[in-house]
Amino acid sequence: QLQLQESGPGLVKPSETLSLTCTVSGGSISSSSYYWSWIRQPPGKGLEWIGTIYYSGSTYYKPALKSRVSISLDTSKNQFSLNLSPVTATDTAVYYCARGIAVPGALPDYWGQGTLVTVSS
Amino acid sequence: QSVLTQPPSASGSPGQRVTISCSGSSSNIESNYVYWYQQLPGTAPKLLIHRNNQRPSGVPDRFAGSKSGTSASLAISGLRSEDEADYYCASWDHTLSGQDWVFGGGTKLTVL
Repeated sequence: QLQLQESGPGLVKPSETLSLTCTVSGGSISSSSYYWSWIRQPPGKGLEWIGTIYYSGSTYYKPALKSRVSISLDTSKNQFSLNLSPVTATDTAVYYCARGIAVPGALPDYWGQGTLVTVSS
Repeated sequence: QSVLTQPPSASGSPGQRVTISCSGSSSNIESNYVYWYQQLPGTAPKLLIHRNNQRPSGVPDRFAGSKSGTSASLAISGLRSEDEADYYCASWDHTLSGQDWVFGGGTKLTVL
């Protein structure tokens, strides 16, 4: 059974870098059948897509975040990662990693449980 | 302000039928699939409907999705207490800025 688990610091200072890792078990991130994404949810608010990476390494980012975001794969560890920099208080959110089927128009079918990241000095 | 518009709340009594709407535009709903997610309190979103009206295995047929033009809707029939959750619609969006995923603001369903 596929499982995704987010990990990383729960507290990040303003102007610094938010770094999170998603560990995938029960499936391979090297599969051409799927893509891997990050989505966030500020406290009490709705969902916002951050970006997506395919097995080939191709990446796609939300236009409004593109200048601050980087997503990468580590196939040796079956993990993918998110870097967001520099951060401000508005980046405080629960961050989810997710998987989707790599066909046109598809959105995620499996999500991790999420991890809260607070941006504060 | 979300790109897709949902009512902030909806409610119904057990056994009733409730419909949640999702309004978008030609760049998102009209030209792309609509997905629906259910988020129980304190948990991650769960896929409820994909490709406008398809249910993943394990999702009861009480949940039904539909799409027409720039709008979509989620209907829940035979309402149960465990259906109390937040519901989000989502779709791809193609704009001059590039491709984007967009979500509705969410609808909080209360089972009376």
